[in-house]
Amino acid sequence: DAGVTQSPTHLIKTRGQQVTLRCSPKSGHDTVSWYQQALGQGPQFIFQYYEEEERQRGNFPDRFSGHQFPNYSSELNVNALLLGDSALYLCASSPRTSGRGTGELFFGEGSRLTVL
Amino acid sequence: SQQGEEDPQALSIQEGENATMNCSYKTSINNLQWYRQNSGRGLVHLILIRSNEREKHSGRLRVTLDTSKKSSSLLITASRAADTASYFCATDANFNKFYFGSGTKLNVKP
Repeated sequence: DAGVTQSPTHLIKTRGQQVTLRCSPKSGHDTVSWYQQALGQGPQFIFQYYEEEERQRGNFPDRFSGHQFPNYSSELNVNALLLGDSALYLCASSPRTSGRGTGELFFGEGSRLTVL
Repeated sequence: SQQGEEDPQALSIQEGENATMNCSYKTSINNLQWYRQNSGRGLVHLILIRSNEREKHSGRLRVTLDTSKKSSSLLITASRAADTASYFCATDANFNKFYFGSGTKLNVKP
């Protein structure tokens, strides 16, 4: 049973460029969330996708956008890259549940983006 | 912000000792979870405690939750060098939207 897979693992971009990161959720999971983790900090919630729609969003500008495909995989797009976008981008999947709260998140190994 | 904050920021202990780290948060929650991260890799879920629970155990891990004080603690007993990692608490008040603290960096010396 494959866990959450992310690609690419590392990439280097220059300011102003655009980047697309990809995520395949764990088998049986239909909800994908993206997090940004700057060096020495905790993960910050970017947004969450379920049923191919953005359901929740954190405090990130519109330069950050995403997509979820019918097979539940997801992409994170960042336009007009800034030096401050350099970070580890983590994808997490979970099964949709009802009721109070949810269970655990399953994380991928992340995509490390360096913006020069 | 609902973000949890861990304390201490860094902790260094000898193998075999116990490690305790704390988490404080600001608003009401559905549950609180602890995650572990090895050297900038993906996070791994350790344990979840719901808002109506006060204590939970899993192997060498013990988690407590005090909703009146909006705090939680994670105890790792009989620590091992392999426990060296960063530990994060995550709070969930909104469906699947988690807030992580800045973590406690644990170093277990052999």
